[in-house]
Amino acid sequence: DVKVTQSSRYLVKRTGEKVFLECVQDMDHENMFWYRQDPGLGLRLIYFSYDVKMKEKGDIPEGYSVSREKKERFSLILESASTNQTSMYLCASSAVRSSYEQYFGPGTRLTVT
Amino acid sequence: SQQGEEDPQALSIQEGENATMNCSYKTSINNLQWYRQNSGRGLVHLILIRSNEREKHSGRLRVTLDTSKKSSSLLITASRAADTASYFCATAYGRNSGNTPLVFGKGTRLSVIA
Repeated sequence: DVKVTQSSRYLVKRTGEKVFLECVQDMDHENMFWYRQDPGLGLRLIYFSYDVKMKEKGDIPEGYSVSREKKERFSLILESASTNQTSMYLCASSAVRSSYEQYFGPGTRLTVT
Repeated sequence: SQQGEEDPQALSIQEGENATMNCSYKTSINNLQWYRQNSGRGLVHLILIRSNEREKHSGRLRVTLDTSKKSSSLLITASRAADTASYFCATAYGRNSGNTPLVFGKGTRLSVIA
């Protein structure tokens, strides 16, 4: 079975802190994605990557950056956390050959105080 | 926004009844997918239907696709309390290649009462 893991289930950070969210997948998938999920807004794509060292902006990249140095790992970085970045963050991966089916991690609930 | 829209936003039924959720989208698609999310967890892929298919079954799930109306429906038959979850439709937009992101709707919250 595909396994996508995220470094933390719950995280509490202070405004202005630098925050790293890590995502690792074990199925050699080419594509990896970061979403945030907020009540009433559904899932919104922050960034995605279709290869090592490649990244593309999604719908809401402002305030975020990403890093993909290895195929299995995709990191989301909040350079200076703000309270409006309090949210559920979901990582996903997919293989190019699988018609876009995505596999999700369990999510990280981030609270910025 | 090219986001799909699910309807209804929330649905409450008795155990044993059928549940139907609908999804509308805006652009031409390669395929449409349905995902399920239990409270506070990640999404799980349920079923994928390609643009040249009209109906697909998987266990108690039945998905239909009408590309002329840009809409899809998910039917869960003989629902169980364990089906209580949020259900999302997702479509691929942009380049027609395997690394195109999905666009998710806002979801339907299904409650199945025992």
